Amino acid sequence: SAVISQKPSRDICQRGTSLTIQCQVDSQVTMMFWYRQQPGQSLTLIATANQGSEATYESGFVIDKFPISRPNLTFSTLTVSNMSPEDSSIYLCSVEDLSYEQYFGPGTRLTVT
Amino acid sequence: SQKIEQNSEALNIQEGKTATLTCNYTNYSPAYLQWYRQDPGRGPVFLLLIRENEKEKRKERLKVTFDTTLKQSLFHITASQPADSATYLCALDRSGGSNYKLTFGKGTLLTVNP
Repeated sequence: SAVISQKPSRDICQRGTSLTIQCQVDSQVTMMFWYRQQPGQSLTLIATANQGSEATYESGFVIDKFPISRPNLTFSTLTVSNMSPEDSSIYLCSVEDLSYEQYFGPGTRLTVT
Repeated sequence: SQKIEQNSEALNIQEGKTATLTCNYTNYSPAYLQWYRQDPGRGPVFLLLIRENEKEKRKERLKVTFDTTLKQSLFHITASQPADSATYLCALDRSGGSNYKLTFGKGTLLTVNP
């Protein structure tokens, strides 16, 4: 199993600004995932972050809007850029073990006004 | 793309009864299917994984079945307790192979009444 922490746990931001979310894992992992969970919706994968390479983005998500860093095997950041109210959501990071089980962080609740 | 439907948005049952949640999917059959629990304000917590060649899997009071012909998984909680109240999410791998990406259903909110 893995223990994941995220910072901040929540934030209220103004339209047009950017927020960087941090994700820390207690063990080294190859892949880290970033998800978005909008109110009443399922989790949607934003991108996959591998250490040492560029993140892979899912359809509908672009690097300019959601730049990701993965400087080492235990840490990643997701930036939500030029925010609008539609970006209000919970953002979660996760990792997967060798048995395909995913472990999630507690999430970052973002409100854009 | 894979589409997942979980039987209902909300399910209310009495303590001690068995809760049964349904997950239906379309298109390809996944190599494995997972169930997660999510409490308010928290990230999902992994519960069980069942592979395409497995019919049933158990863990304590939890049981999962997987019917690739019906394209359906059933998730049972026996002897339910108020502490079991949470949202339960079904998730499938994307490609039916070794792809690690998951597609999640919207979840079913289970409330167990004392």
